[in-house]
Amino acid sequence: AQSVTQLDSQVPVFEEAPVELRCNYSSSVSVYLFWYVQYPNQGLQLLLKYLSGSTLVKGINGFEAEFNKSQTSFHLRKPSVHISDTAEYFCAASSSGGSYIPTFGRGTSLIVHP
Amino acid sequence: SAVISQKPSRDICQRGTSLTIQCQVDSQVTMMFWYRQQPGQSLTLIATANQGSEATYESGFVIDKFPISRPNLTFSTLTVSNMSPEDSSIYLCSAARDSYEQFFGPGTRLTVL
Repeated sequence: AQSVTQLDSQVPVFEEAPVELRCNYSSSVSVYLFWYVQYPNQGLQLLLKYLSGSTLVKGINGFEAEFNKSQTSFHLRKPSVHISDTAEYFCAASSSGGSYIPTFGRGTSLIVHP
Repeated sequence: SAVISQKPSRDICQRGTSLTIQCQVDSQVTMMFWYRQQPGQSLTLIATANQGSEATYESGFVIDKFPISRPNLTFSTLTVSNMSPEDSSIYLCSAARDSYEQFFGPGTRLTVL
């Protein structure tokens, strides 16, 4: 089974600054990767996913992530954050050819200050 | 995509009682899951709800404590039985079709006194 590490439990940033949320996964022959966002008092919403193809994945709300196989990373980035991006972000991974069930990281709390 | 609703959205319960959470998907899905999310923590999978058969439970979760039903391809229930304060958590329902992408409900926020 996959394991997922989100190194930062909390990332404070000022509005309009760039941000990177880090995610590393355990090595696998082939892996599917996801970033979810959870706004306060809501469920999880898919931001973006990597299944195959281009290693640079663009998602909703201006977010993008890059799949780096050699570093087993899938970091999430946004060039300019907004107050409304304040939320909990979860990285998840599952092995292709396995079950539908991803392993989730512990989450990173993005706090955007005005 | 799939839109998932959960009832109730939140509840406050007394210890020793049981609560049943309902999960409704707006279209047929292959798989449905139940997760627990304790305050400030990540998601922990409780079980996979199998249509027409017994749920598949993860290590540390048992059917007597968390009975699950899935009578058709769009509906599932999770019961939290004989509750204690340690069961206070957010319970999330999710569903998946073929692409390994899971869609999540808004969650049920449970407080046990």
